Amino acid sequence: RKEVEQDPGPFNVPEGATVAFNCTYSNSASQSFFWYRQDCRKEPKLLMSVYSSGNEDGRFTAQLNRASQYISLLIRDSKLSDSATYLCVVTRRDGNKLVFGAGTILRVKS
Amino acid sequence: GAVVSQHPSRVICKSGTSVKIECRSLDFQATTMFWYRQFPKQSLMLMATSNEGSKATYEQGVEKDKFLINHASLTLSTLTVTSAHPEDSSFYICSARAISDTQYFGPGTRLTVL
Repeated sequence: RKEVEQDPGPFNVPEGATVAFNCTYSNSASQSFFWYRQDCRKEPKLLMSVYSSGNEDGRFTAQLNRASQYISLLIRDSKLSDSATYLCVVTRRDGNKLVFGAGTILRVKS
Repeated sequence: GAVVSQHPSRVICKSGTSVKIECRSLDFQATTMFWYRQFPKQSLMLMATSNEGSKATYEQGVEKDKFLINHASLTLSTLTVTSAHPEDSSFYICSARAISDTQYFGPGTRLTVL
């Protein structure tokens, strides 16, 4: 079983739609949680950290459920520029190493 | 935000040759840098942790004699793929950890071994 699991998609949505991605992780000792965005053939870029209390950054809302070992990302009012692969990332107990999910592909179409 | 560079961005080499990839933190010092590899449609996989002034720590299944890592200064780590083979063709990405513990990624190096 992979340490971080994501639905690969692709999610094809129209502009303006709301889309949600889910992720599960298997290591209960994972310490920190993030969503990264990766554009085609580019490096991943940090989108936001994820906390149990939930956090929001503009159109993006992330939520962590430690009991279920589940992380979510909600994107409201999708833009064409949101098209990318979204990577769910956790750190191991030492907080040092990042473990990446394989990513969920989002395609926003006009 | 912090900037991490990688050089070269793309390299094509013949099978059996060695390739060196440089990772530099341009505006901060990084005692720890990480090397990842990403095959098409797969997730980034951590290869090794590079610590300034000491030996790198390799993940299970990564051959330390094939992937030589040197972290000679607080702003530079190098990865040398020795005796490269076609199966080593991949996207190699480094990251540098800042004092805030945030990791900043380099733009990646696309290696093609013929």
